Amino acid sequence: QMTQSPSTLSASVGDTVTITCRASESINKWLAWYQQKPGKAPKLLIYAASSLQSGVPSRFSGSGSGTEFTLTISSLQPDDFATYYCQPYSTYPYTFGQGTKLDLK
Amino acid sequence: QVQLVESGGGVVQPGGSLRLSCAASGFTFSNFAMHWVRQAPGQGLEWVAILLYDGINAYYADSVNGRFTISRDVSKNTLYLQMHSLRGEDTAVYFCAKEVAGLSDWGQGTLVTVSS
Repeated sequence: QMTQSPSTLSASVGDTVTITCRASESINKWLAWYQQKPGKAPKLLIYAASSLQSGVPSRFSGSGSGTEFTLTISSLQPDDFATYYCQPYSTYPYTFGQGTKLDLK
Repeated sequence: QVQLVESGGGVVQPGGSLRLSCAASGFTFSNFAMHWVRQAPGQGLEWVAILLYDGINAYYADSVNGRFTISRDVSKNTLYLQMHSLRGEDTAVYFCAKEVAGLSDWGQGTLVTVSS
C-alpha cells in the first residue's frame, strides 16, 4: 500500500518541487517513479528509488529507502507539467500511488 | 528498439468476455516479466497482472483475480489478457508493459468499454 502526496501541486517554471510516497511496510529500495501526460502511456523516470532511467534529464532525482521516498524535480521546465506516480515492485500487488498532478501556477 | 502494440479492445456488455493482445518486438520476449496496467477514464493507474519470465507464474490484483488470466505465446511474441465476467468498473485503457527494474517500456494502450 502506497500513500502518495500531494495529490495536486502548483508550481512555476524554474521552481523545485518534491513529491512523496510512503509505503505501509518496508520495500527496501524497490520503488519506481513515472511521468504521464494526457492521452499517453506512462514513462519510467526513476527505478530502484534513486537510479535515473536512460534518457531522463538529470533535473529528476529520487531518494529514500524502506518506507519513505521522494521524487524531486529541480528547475521545472514547461515539459514537466504532468502527472507523476510511484510504484513499488518488491512484492505483489505492484499497486501504484494515487498520483500527483503537477500544474502551472 | 522495444515496441509493444496492444489490440483487442472494444465495447462489451456486462458479463461478457474479451481477449486483449500485446505484440512485442525488439527484445527477447521470453526473458522478461510482462505486466498489464489499466487506467479508467480520468483516474489513476491500476496495476492488473504480471506474468513472470518463466511464463508460468502469474499474479493478479484482487479486483480481477479469478476473472482475468494473463498468458503469452512465445512463438508469436505476444502477451494476452483474457477477461471474463466483465463489469462497468473494468472500463479502462489497458496498457501492456515490460519489466526491467520498474516498467521500462509501455504500449500505447487499448480501450475497453463495458456497457450495455
